[in-house]
This record gives sequence, C-alpha cells and structure tokens, in this order.
Amino acid sequence: GAGVSQSPSNKVTEKGKDVELRCDPISGHTALYWYRQSLGQGLEFLIYFQGNSAPDKSGLPSDRFSAERTGGSVSTLTIQRTQQEDSAVYLCASSLAGKGLQPQHFGDGTRLSIL
Amino acid sequence: QQQVKQSPQSLIVQKGGISIINCAYENTAFDYFPWYQQFPGKGPALLIAIRPDVSEKKEGRFTISFNKSAKQFSLHIMDSQPGDSATYFCAATPWTGNQFYFGTGTSLTVIP
Repeated sequence: GAGVSQSPSNKVTEKGKDVELRCDPISGHTALYWYRQSLGQGLEFLIYFQGNSAPDKSGLPSDRFSAERTGGSVSTLTIQRTQQEDSAVYLCASSLAGKGLQPQHFGDGTRLSIL
Repeated sequence: QQQVKQSPQSLIVQKGGISIINCAYENTAFDYFPWYQQFPGKGPALLIAIRPDVSEKKEGRFTISFNKSAKQFSLHIMDSQPGDSATYFCAATPWTGNQFYFGTGTSLTVIP
C-alpha cells in the first residue's frame, strides 16, 4: 500500500511569508507525528496527534507554528511569518498507535528554504 | 538537552568490516530503542528495535547490543556493504509516552 505522503517535496519562500506543509498518513494509522530535521541534527519532535485526543504540542518551537489534523487523517503544519532559522526538512510519520512498539513510518519530508 | 547522545558523528568503514554506532541515555523511563536508517532525500526507515528485557537482538547483518545498567545501546553492522552507506539514528521512548527522542545521527560511508 501507499506510504506516508508529504507535499510539497520542496518549498522556497521569502522571509515573513506563511507556509503550509501537508502530510497524508498511511490509511488506518491513528498516530501522526511531525518532526523537524536541521542539517547535521537529529529529529526534533514538533507535535503528535493520536486519534481524537488533544494533540501533544509540547515540541512546537514558537507560536508561529501550528498544526491541524482533519478527520483523523490528513495533517497540515503551518508556519507563520517564516524566519531563516525555520529552514529545515520537515518530516511526518504515522503509526498504527501512539505507543513505542508500533513502528513509525516516515514520509520523505518537505525541504523548506527561507530566503 | 540532548536526551539521547549518539557517536560517532561520522564513520568510514571498509567493505566487509564491522560498523559500530553507540548511543547513551539518562532517562530510565525509556524502554523502547529503535534504530533508523536514512538515505539522502528520503525519510528515516525503521531498521531494528529492542526493548530492555533482552541484551541483544539480531536481524540479518544488523545487531543491537543493549546494556541496561550502563544505559547504553549500540548498532553493529556486520560485513558492511557500500549499500549500507546512509545516516543512522538511534532513538528512545518511554512505553507510555508519545515522544521519540532521537540521537543526532551517524553518517556511515562504506568504501568498496
């Protein structure tokens, strides 16, 4: 079946603009994660959705970052008033359930470049 | 504060050699330790994972060694191949938690 799909694969925008990144998880996966991967760094947790529960937003770096998950499926990560330090690869992952023994399946990411 | 510390940052190994990547953690609540493999332009893919009730897990050429008392775990790639050249991430999570904490990654290059 289809894996996790992210769009766009690349995004270049000017500082100060808003951007929306999209994630289509694997069908039936109730858990969805967003991570940020900066050059030479590990994966930085941003936000986690599990079913209809309130999302864990503890990793969002500032109030310019927000995310939604509609209908328990597609998720959108929005960055407002982008800054150059927001340049990174944004990865989405989904799993059958939000517990450790369920492996996370990652998309190929959106490479965001802020000019 | 880095919850999971990974070393080395980069590693060069001859074809057929053994690649060893180490990770350490402090949080004793962690009880699931996966390793991910990432090729350029791709997302990480789960390679192998271990829980602390065993000291070693082997899948093909890949082995995780786990030392609970030292709070360390490592990935061994036996008979390393050029196709293994990728970035490897260790991670840890508490079974009851939501977050996975990732190491900073190791760039492995296997020379033919």
